[in-house]
Amino acid sequence: QQQVKQSPQSLIVQKGGISIINCAYENTAFDYFPWYQQFPGKGPALLIAIRPDVSEKKEGRFTISFNKSAKQFSLHIMDSQPGDSATYFCAASKNSSYKLIFGSGTRLLVRP
Amino acid sequence: ETGVTQTPRHLVMGMTNKKSLKCEQHLGHNAMYWYKQSAKKPLELMFVYSLEERVENNSVPSRFSPECPNSSHLFLHLHTLQPEDSALYLCASSQDRAGYEQYFGPGTRLTVT
Repeated sequence: QQQVKQSPQSLIVQKGGISIINCAYENTAFDYFPWYQQFPGKGPALLIAIRPDVSEKKEGRFTISFNKSAKQFSLHIMDSQPGDSATYFCAASKNSSYKLIFGSGTRLLVRP
Repeated sequence: ETGVTQTPRHLVMGMTNKKSLKCEQHLGHNAMYWYKQSAKKPLELMFVYSLEERVENNSVPSRFSPECPNSSHLFLHLHTLQPEDSALYLCASSQDRAGYEQYFGPGTRLTVT
């Protein structure tokens, strides 16, 4: 119930294409769903986050789509750029807990 | 960067050594975290401190000992580690008790020989 399942494990996209990373969860008590971006040699950095009262959130080229009934959420990167090449982690948390439960990560490579 | 610094960035230690990792946050946050990141597992929460009190310990072996002397500093004391403890150790901080919007440091790459 505490797991967050992330797919795919790795993704290769051409420059200008759309990158899509998916996550699924079981615990309906989760109420906060962030995405983190991690470059080699760096710690994860918060990219964008959503709460379950909305179905979509967009910040620049990054969009989170949230499907409460399916218990799934996804990250879409529009017009993907080589600089977006990084590892992306989804996560989930609930208000009563300090814990962020992380997915296993997706290594994205955007080819020029 | 993120306002969370960690030292050292790289550490090689033998199984009988004692060493400490240091984390400092410059964001005025009141909660701090230690995570372990290894190649084969998702990010694992190890310890959480809120207002300098440990509020969560995720069944971490006693060879890892945290210390939080104030809300800006966090240490992880290491002793008699095993090779499987080799990993990237990340520190994070957040503003509120719920742990939302955690900000991570760059990590310490630990190798146990």
